[in-house]
Amino acid sequence: GDSVTQMEGPVTLSEEAFLTINCTYTATGYPSLFWYVQYPGEGLQLLLKATKADDKGSNKGFEATYRKETTSFHLEKGSVQVSDSAVYFCALSDQSSGGSNYKLTFGKGTLLTVNP
Amino acid sequence: DGGITQSPKYLFRKEGQNVTLSCEQNLNHDAMYWYRQDPGQGLRLIYYSQIVNDFQKGDIAEGYSVSREKKESFPLTVTSAQKNPTAFYLCASSIQTGVNSPLHFGNGTRLTVT
Repeated sequence: GDSVTQMEGPVTLSEEAFLTINCTYTATGYPSLFWYVQYPGEGLQLLLKATKADDKGSNKGFEATYRKETTSFHLEKGSVQVSDSAVYFCALSDQSSGGSNYKLTFGKGTLLTVNP
Repeated sequence: DGGITQSPKYLFRKEGQNVTLSCEQNLNHDAMYWYRQDPGQGLRLIYYSQIVNDFQKGDIAEGYSVSREKKESFPLTVTSAQKNPTAFYLCASSIQTGVNSPLHFGNGTRLTVT
């Protein structure tokens, strides 16, 4: 079945450091890929998405590129801020099963802490 | 502002009691979902509803029940049959169930059963 593997956390960085959170996936079809963010005490918010190979999703300075050849969707940001401290979830929805929200597979999440 | 409201934020129950978690949305979304989040794990889908008066089991529906009598409301009941009910529960909605309709989440209810 489908699966998502994220790098183990927690990740601790200083403000203005470069961020990479690795995400690789296994899917039988052609998935859409997502990054969701969960700030402390809140629900998840969609951060960015990509629906086909070589697409780049971007939002709030974060980027991720859909790499079919390496089955990866790594999240990057050039200069993190304290306000970026949160849990980040990689997720996929396999299009061959209808590309439905109820077929979303989430990774375990990566906790990011940014210190001033 | 439109959004999803989950209440209460924290809920405590004794083992053997049923408990109902509230989820209300004013986004006029057709689809609603319930997820469970455990420490160090991704989200797991409990139930979802594509439209009023219809709902489907997700990956871990055993010990849970839902209803969808109104478009804006999708309450979740955690029954005494659920073996490990202590968790963080998240409700979500989307315009439709297609993946191009992003999920909007509530702020969650943390349930503790002792």
